[in-house]
Amino acid sequence: AQSVTQLGSHVSVSEGALVLLRCNYSSSVPPYLFWYVQYPNQGLQLLLKYTSAATLVKGINGFEAEFKKSETSFHLTKPSAHMSDAAEYFCAVISLSGGYNKLIFGAGTRLAVHP
Amino acid sequence: KAGVTQTPRYLIKTRGQQVTLSCSPISGHRSVSWYQQTPGQGLQFLFEYFSETQRNKGNFPGRFSGRQFSNSRSEMNVSTLELGDSALYLCASSSTGAGTDTQYFGPGTRLTVL
Repeated sequence: AQSVTQLGSHVSVSEGALVLLRCNYSSSVPPYLFWYVQYPNQGLQLLLKYTSAATLVKGINGFEAEFKKSETSFHLTKPSAHMSDAAEYFCAVISLSGGYNKLIFGAGTRLAVHP
Repeated sequence: KAGVTQTPRYLIKTRGQQVTLSCSPISGHRSVSWYQQTPGQGLQFLFEYFSETQRNKGNFPGRFSGRQFSNSRSEMNVSTLELGDSALYLCASSSTGAGTDTQYFGPGTRLTVL
């Protein structure tokens, strides 16, 4: 069965600092991984997705993630944090049931950005 | 293209009542999935519909049900509401819901059960 674990429920960085949000996956088949962001009182917005085409995936708003099979990781990074990046971030893996997909989410990491 | 829309955005109900939530997918998308988000349990998959058929179901009691119409719009119903049903209910649409199809989420309906 597929699962994801997000290390750190809260991360705090200074504006302009590196953002690193950690995600490790468990999967018996090649995983398809996603990062979503949720702003207060909103739904989930897709940041980026990994579907085996390239190990370094670039997403929106300057975020990127690198798939590392040897470490079973898919960490999300951004070189320089902005105040507007404050939100909750979810890592997710596709679980296929009968060929149809559903998303299995991590517990989320709340990112705080301070001046 | 317009995104996924959900109505209503907020609902307040009392225990024992029932509620119906609505979701309109992105135009051309035929798969609609529903998720429940709570502080304690996080994001959990409820069920998925495609061409008016439920193809996939999560581990929720039978009080939670859904349906999909021929225009791909979907409704979710919760009967005999319990306090623990208070949550943000998110709808997601994708083109086919198969393989690695990406799911796009709506803004959610926040249900409060008193």
